[in-house]
Amino acid sequence: GDSVTQMEGPVTLSEEAFLTINCTYTATGYPSLFWYVQYPGEGLQLLLKATKADDKGSNKGFEATYRKETTSFHLEKGSVQVSDSAVYFCAHGGSQGNLIFGKGTKLSVKP
Amino acid sequence: GAGVSQSPRYKVAKRGQDVALRCDPISGHVSLFWYQQALGQGPEFLTYFQNEAQLDKSGLPSDRFFAERPEGSVSTLKIQRTQQEDSAVYLCASSPTGGGRTDTQYFGPGTRLTVL
Repeated sequence: GDSVTQMEGPVTLSEEAFLTINCTYTATGYPSLFWYVQYPGEGLQLLLKATKADDKGSNKGFEATYRKETTSFHLEKGSVQVSDSAVYFCAHGGSQGNLIFGKGTKLSVKP
Repeated sequence: GAGVSQSPRYKVAKRGQDVALRCDPISGHVSLFWYQQALGQGPEFLTYFQNEAQLDKSGLPSDRFFAERPEGSVSTLKIQRTQQEDSAVYLCASSPTGGGRTDTQYFGPGTRLTVL
């Protein structure tokens, strides 16, 4: 069935380090792909999305490219900040318009 | 503008009690979704409304769970005879459009349900 697999956390980085969080999906057809972020004490919010193959979503210095051939949507940022500490969820669109989420990856950035 | 709101934010129930969780979506949004998020897990889909029509309830874990959106705006998720395994955060999300292709969903803060 449809699913999303993302790398296990927690991930701890120093400020200004490079970030990659891997995400792969299993789905019927070519769904839209999303990264959502949950900051401490806050609700889920959209970070970026891509709606078709080879699209690149970007926001706040984060990027992810829709790779159809590897069914992946890895999240990257060149230089993380303490304020990026949060839980990151990869998701894809289901057949009914619902979202199918991975388990989340907790990121902690140390000064 | 106002985002998605949910109430109550926290609910403690004794096993066997009924609970009702409310969601106020963004005004004018056509689609409304309910998700259940267990501790340390990603949200899992429960049910979906397009306006007042419940188009998919395949994610509801048992017949103790019931959702409605009678006027196409506010929605209520009801859980009857709560069990400990129902303890989770219940998230509501809305999106401006309906249809098969997924649009951005806007999430509320969630209701944390604890069943003792």
